[in-house]
Amino acid sequence: QVQLVQSGAEVKRPGSSVKLSCKASGGTFSGYAVSWVRQAPGQGLEWMGGLIPIYPTTHYAQNFLGRVVISADKSSSTVYMELSSLKSEDTAMYFCARGLTGDRLDYWGLGTLVTVSS
Amino acid sequence: QSALTQPASVSGSPGQSITISCTGTSSDVGGYDYVSWFQQHPGKAPKLIIYEVSDRPSGVSYRFSGSRSGNTASLTISGLQAEDEADYYCYSYISAGTYVFGPGTKVTVL
Repeated sequence: QVQLVQSGAEVKRPGSSVKLSCKASGGTFSGYAVSWVRQAPGQGLEWMGGLIPIYPTTHYAQNFLGRVVISADKSSSTVYMELSSLKSEDTAMYFCARGLTGDRLDYWGLGTLVTVSS
Repeated sequence: QSALTQPASVSGSPGQSITISCTGTSSDVGGYDYVSWFQQHPGKAPKLIIYEVSDRPSGVSYRFSGSRSGNTASLTISGLQAEDEADYYCYSYISAGTYVFGPGTKVTVL
């Protein structure tokens, strides 16, 4: 059974960057679509971007262009998401998710809480 | 702000059927077969319940069904149960490998 294991909670200062990880345990990301989704406190889900690790192309939501980088380390079945120029509004739970296609996200991590505060 | 619209809340009594709509445009919901629905209970990760408009993943109850008419996708929950009380999000392919979530609908079981 595949589990997506996400890195631990982070507290960051405004203007800094954060890099989160998502490791496939009991499985792999190879050939699968991986997306990052965030949820601010009390708010809805927001798709940030995604990739298919065996292909070089990464896709990002318009709202995050220039501020987010999603990458993969195939050797360790780990996908990363780095968000820069952090603002208080970036305080949220960040989820990674895997699926056969970008819409079929059937495995989710438990989420990583990122708090941005001065 | 989401490019998709959903009702903020829908309610029903146990055993009833409810339908949640997700309205977009011909550039998203109406233009591709990549429309999904997710269920999310408080404090939990989302769970995929419908993908590709109307397909149900293995293990998801038959009480959940998806459909689409034009630019509006719908999720129907039949035989409403207490455990169905949750937030529901539609999710659609937009273009160039990008996706968008709807704003979410809170389902209350009366």
